[in-house]
Amino acid sequence: DAMVIQNPRYQVTQFGKPVTLSCSQTLNHNVMYWYQQKSSQAPKLLFHYYDKDFNNEADTPDNFQSRRPNTSFCFLDIRSPGLGDAAMYLCATSRVGNYGYTFGSGTRLTVV
Amino acid sequence: KQEVTQIPAALSVPEGENLVLNCSFTDSAIYNLQWFRQDPGKGLTSLLLIQSSQREQTSGRLNASLDKSSGRSTLYIAASQPGDSATYLCAVHNTNAGKSTFGDGTTLTVKP
Repeated sequence: DAMVIQNPRYQVTQFGKPVTLSCSQTLNHNVMYWYQQKSSQAPKLLFHYYDKDFNNEADTPDNFQSRRPNTSFCFLDIRSPGLGDAAMYLCATSRVGNYGYTFGSGTRLTVV
Repeated sequence: KQEVTQIPAALSVPEGENLVLNCSFTDSAIYNLQWFRQDPGKGLTSLLLIQSSQREQTSGRLNASLDKSSGRSTLYIAASQPGDSATYLCAVHNTNAGKSTFGDGTTLTVKP
């Protein structure tokens, strides 16, 4: 089945140690999103790619960066994780038009 | 700026009851609205997508309605089951790519 896959499901990293989360999709959707979700809160958009065009949200910290080497893959890099960055990170895809979003299963990040 | 509100934040019902979850939004210029289910520690699973030109969508025991003029959507769950226990989020898609607003969700508990 076509899907959005996030790896790993759980990630524990040390305070200040760079970490990379990955997302892949087999849907051939041209838009990919990274969301941060903290407990009992709505997902918060960090950035998205429209094909290769990168769109950063104004309030996304500089500590967060992203790469999209091809249509299928997208990475979230956290350069120096702080305790406040512990959260669920969700990847989603969509295609232009009225088709809605497809989400991956998420990566739960713990910072120790 | 689009704002999305989901009331109530939590709901507990006995098994077999029919129930309605509410989602309201402030800007009626939407492309579509999507209802998701989120189980604890998991990603978002799409339940129903309603286009701005539609009034409702149905899938099994679920029925979602949309009233753009009043800025409201409802998710109706018939004959609730314990397996329906989860957090339900609505997302309003304001453009066909990139800008969506999520509600904080309604956490549903269905008691056997």
